[in-house]
Amino acid sequence: GAGVSQSPSNKVTEKGKDVELRCDPISGHTALYWYRQSLGQGLEFLIYFQGNSAPDKSGLPSDRFSAERTGGSVSTLTIQRTQQEDSAVYLCASSPTTGTDTQYFGPGTRLTVL
Amino acid sequence: AQSVTQLDSQVPVFEEAPVELRCNYSSSVSVYLFWYVQYPNQGLQLLLKYLSGSTLVKGINGFEAEFNKSQTSFHLRKPSVHISDTAEYFCAVSDRGDYKLSFGAGTTVTVRA
Repeated sequence: GAGVSQSPSNKVTEKGKDVELRCDPISGHTALYWYRQSLGQGLEFLIYFQGNSAPDKSGLPSDRFSAERTGGSVSTLTIQRTQQEDSAVYLCASSPTTGTDTQYFGPGTRLTVL
Repeated sequence: AQSVTQLDSQVPVFEEAPVELRCNYSSSVSVYLFWYVQYPNQGLQLLLKYLSGSTLVKGINGFEAEFNKSQTSFHLRKPSVHISDTAEYFCAVSDRGDYKLSFGAGTTVTVRA
């Protein structure tokens, strides 16, 4: 079956521009996660959505970062006024529910801020 | 939140030799433990996980890991590696009841003929 998909696969932008990264989770998965993978920081949790509950935004590094999940499926991570330190691979994952469920990861979006 | 330490950043190994990747985590409270693999230009794929029960966990592609609560470790092993095992390996931990994964910095395994 189809896995988690993310688009674009690569994004190059200029400092100060806004970017949107998209994640399509596995159909039927209620939990969705965003992580960031960067040199020197490793993999960091950003945000978590579960069904219709309020998202856990505790990992977002600044108020320039936001995310939404429409209709309990597709999610968009938005970074406003991008900075060079935002350059990283942004990974999305989904799981059937939460807790012990395995998180299935997408291929990621590589963001480069010039 | 857990702190996860992968003791080796790079592990070169010859084909058909054994490999062990070390992982230690910070807290002895009840945890779930995972190993993920990331092949070049691909996403993370689950190799194996420990939730409860037997401390020796077997995963895909011939990998296994052993949970040691007293040493707060979850080392990954494979008795004989293949060229195709060349990848980056991540150890991850979550507290029971928490959905957030804390990842180690990763270990790059390079298998040479």
